[in-house]
Amino acid sequence: EVQLLESGGDLVQPGGSLRLSCAASGFTFSSHAMSWVRQAPGKGLEWVSSISGSGGSTYYADSVKGRFTISRDNSKNTLYLQMNSLRAEDTAVYYCAKNLNDNSLFMDVWGQGTTVTVSS
Amino acid sequence: EIVMTQSPATLSVSPGERATLSCRASQSVSSDLAWYQQKPGQAPRLLIYGASTRATGIPARFSGSGSGTEFTLTISSLQSEDFAVYYCHQYNNWLTFGGGTKVEIK
Repeated sequence: EVQLLESGGDLVQPGGSLRLSCAASGFTFSSHAMSWVRQAPGKGLEWVSSISGSGGSTYYADSVKGRFTISRDNSKNTLYLQMNSLRAEDTAVYYCAKNLNDNSLFMDVWGQGTTVTVSS
Repeated sequence: EIVMTQSPATLSVSPGERATLSCRASQSVSSDLAWYQQKPGQAPRLLIYGASTRATGIPARFSGSGSGTEFTLTISSLQSEDFAVYYCHQYNNWLTFGGGTKVEIK
């Protein structure tokens, strides 16, 4: 069974940094691109970033480009999201998602999410 | 950016009735369209991908149709566990989501 377990969410001040992690199991991690999607309180879903199976290609939404960095450690089956220069509008539940394969941005399995709150 | 517009925003349906949800793309996404179900406090669950293919374990009462810019999710006979928010999602040109349709008990 595919499992994705996010962690690292916290309350952080504006301008601060946070690193999210997503531990994956139940599939060949390095064979799949991975993604982060967020959902602000009471709002819809917003794609944040994706990374190829090797980690060699990364993609970002314009809203986070230059502030967030996605990475992965295939030896640890773990996905990361380094978030810098955080803003109030980054407050959301952040979901880790498994892409269908390494050639698709389509996400077929999602984790339960971790909450990031940016507030002074 | 491809904008996905869902209608209606809220759909009130009685258990056992049919529900029809619509999703429109601002430009063609071919059949690169998925539907997700989300219940309060839970992660989205994949229902349909490729516009009409049910994901593993999804009951046959859920069906998807359409291509290009117009898509429909139909729930043939609503069960109590189907009351939730439904999102459409295009993955043809980057990734964008619709604003959601809340299916509530009438």
